[in-house]
Amino acid sequence: DTGVSQNPRHKITKRGQNVTFRCDPISEHNRLYWYRQTLGQGPEFLTYFQNEAQLEKSRLLSDRFSAERPKGSFSTLEIQRTEQGDSAMYLCASSLTRSSSTDTQYFGPGTRLTVL
Amino acid sequence: AQKITQTQPGMFVQEKEAVTLDCTYDTSDQSYGLFWYKQPSSGEMIFLIYQGSYDEQNATEGRYSLNFQKARKSANLVISASQLGDSAMYFCAMREVYSGAGSYQLTFGKGTKLSVIP
Repeated sequence: DTGVSQNPRHKITKRGQNVTFRCDPISEHNRLYWYRQTLGQGPEFLTYFQNEAQLEKSRLLSDRFSAERPKGSFSTLEIQRTEQGDSAMYLCASSLTRSSSTDTQYFGPGTRLTVL
Repeated sequence: AQKITQTQPGMFVQEKEAVTLDCTYDTSDQSYGLFWYKQPSSGEMIFLIYQGSYDEQNATEGRYSLNFQKARKSANLVISASQLGDSAMYFCAMREVYSGAGSYQLTFGKGTKLSVIP
């Protein structure tokens, strides 16, 4: 069973450019989450999907950020007009919701974004 | 107020010894879940152990155990027989089931950096 995968692993971009990250969850998992982690901090929640529906968005998710999960499988996170403050590790996680499960979130390796 | 507090920025432990990493939490929910994750320098968050607020027994997973004291709102991670590969950041996280902030997001502490000394 493969884990959560994220691409690219590293992205360097210039301020003002758009970037897109991809997350492939564990195959049977119905929930998918995006978090952002800056240096010296724990991850902070950005948004989450149940199947293809985006059900929660953090106030951290400004209008420059958009996330999709078009067929309830993989997800993309796009940042438009990047700013230096967007430099961070972007983590994706997935979980399987069942009545008997703990709904544990399993994380991918992250995409490290550097905005110059 | 912080929902998850990890007061130890860094900890050292001798190889083969046990170590306790502290975590206190703040919630008004009766139903919640507590998680510990390990983050090596590679960056991936690795799930270690889970404790539900209604679980009467402390959770254990191999060398990891969770010292859950509900009245004190603490959920300390105990690692027994430390190994060099245990050197990493450790994060405590909480999921509140009925909080208005969202039912499924995890709230993380700032982490503790554990260094295992040979």
